[in-house]
Amino acid sequence: NAGVTQTPKFQVLKTGQSMTLQCAQDMNHEYMSWYRQDPGMGLRLIHYSVGAGITDQGEVPNGYNVSRSTTEDFPLRLLSAAPSQTSVYFCASSFLTSGPGGELFFGEGSRLTVL
Amino acid sequence: SQELEQSPQSLIVQEGKNLTINCTSSKTLYGLYWYKQKYGEGLIFLMMLQKGGEEKSHEKITAKLDEKKQQSSLHITASQPSHAGIYLCGADPSNTGKLIFGQGTTLQVKP
Repeated sequence: NAGVTQTPKFQVLKTGQSMTLQCAQDMNHEYMSWYRQDPGMGLRLIHYSVGAGITDQGEVPNGYNVSRSTTEDFPLRLLSAAPSQTSVYFCASSFLTSGPGGELFFGEGSRLTVL
Repeated sequence: SQELEQSPQSLIVQEGKNLTINCTSSKTLYGLYWYKQKYGEGLIFLMMLQKGGEEKSHEKITAKLDEKKQQSSLHITASQPSHAGIYLCGADPSNTGKLIFGQGTTLQVKP
């Protein structure tokens, strides 16, 4: 059972380049989300989705786009990378009930550096 | 300001000592997660609390959600170097699926 798979694990970009961080889960979870982690800031929610075709903004959505065409996949797109987007990105998923539905499963993280 | 506030932000304790980390919300919590993260690694699920007054334990770590469901505490008994890391609380204060986390508490345990 693969759980939550993120790719790539490491990426270096130049300012202005675009890229997509991939996230896939094989647990049939309705809920998926993207976080970024910066020193002293904990995890900050970028975007989340409660099901295929449904996405919503989190705490820090600017500069990022998402889509959810299938239950399994939730890619995060950076259209024009900026140095402020240098961070470690985590994808997470869980079952959804009213409120948190159980353990939130995290991917291993993707470390992005924007020069 | 953060919707979830953790305190303290960092903590250094001597091995064997007890410690407590707090997570406070200005809104009623409909469930709260505790996670641990070792430096540079992924997140490890510790426990989830859903009911006011609920208390759960895992090895030497105990977490409680207070009756008013606006604060949770994580208590470590007889700390060990293996407890070192970043502890994060997470919740959905608006009950909309927007799961957010506190800023984390960094714990160092000195042998």
